[in-house]
Amino acid sequence: GGIITQTPKFLIGQEGQKLTLKCQQNFNHDTMYWYRQDSGKGLRLIYYSITENDLQKGDLSEGYDASREKKSSFSLTVTSAQKNEMAVFLCASSIGGHTEVFFGKGTRLTVV
Amino acid sequence: QQKVQQSPESLTVSEGAMASLNCTFSDRSSDNFRWYRQHSGKGLEVLVSIFSDGEKEEGSFTAHLNRASLHVFLHIREPQPSDSALYLCAVSMSTGYQNFYFGKGTSLTVIP
Repeated sequence: GGIITQTPKFLIGQEGQKLTLKCQQNFNHDTMYWYRQDSGKGLRLIYYSITENDLQKGDLSEGYDASREKKSSFSLTVTSAQKNEMAVFLCASSIGGHTEVFFGKGTRLTVV
Repeated sequence: QQKVQQSPESLTVSEGAMASLNCTFSDRSSDNFRWYRQHSGKGLEVLVSIFSDGEKEEGSFTAHLNRASLHVFLHIREPQPSDSALYLCAVSMSTGYQNFYFGKGTSLTVIP
């Protein structure tokens, strides 16, 4: 079995700050995803990547950048943190288009 | 855009009593449905995936899909207190690159 590791687990940033969240997977999966989970709301897709160096925008990409420099890692950058940014960010991966998706444990972001 | 709604928002059942969760979706061409469980502070754990009308059982979890009525249900047989968690419904279509749309979740509490 494999594992998805998200770092850090907790991230505290200041309003306006640029913040980066990291995700590593050892499944050797092609596709990776970043979702945002707000309290009382469902998960919403921010970015996904179907292969190394590929980036695709999800429904919530504004205010975020992403980077897939290698197959095993996918980073998400909050370009200018806002107080309403506070949420849990979940990274996920899958082999391809419609196979099982595995999730990491999340990074909880707090903006002060 | 796909709309996924779950009901009830929260549900309390006694240990051993059947728990039934409801998920409705808006796009009848959807054909990929997942139920996930998320314990507090943890990642998502897939419970059951279903792709065609009818039932699919995985252990104590049964998904029931009726695409004509735009519903997918999750039944939990003989739930235990350890099944207390947030249950998330996710819906996708085979066309396009696996963008799952999630509901807000049902918070299940199982009391001894």
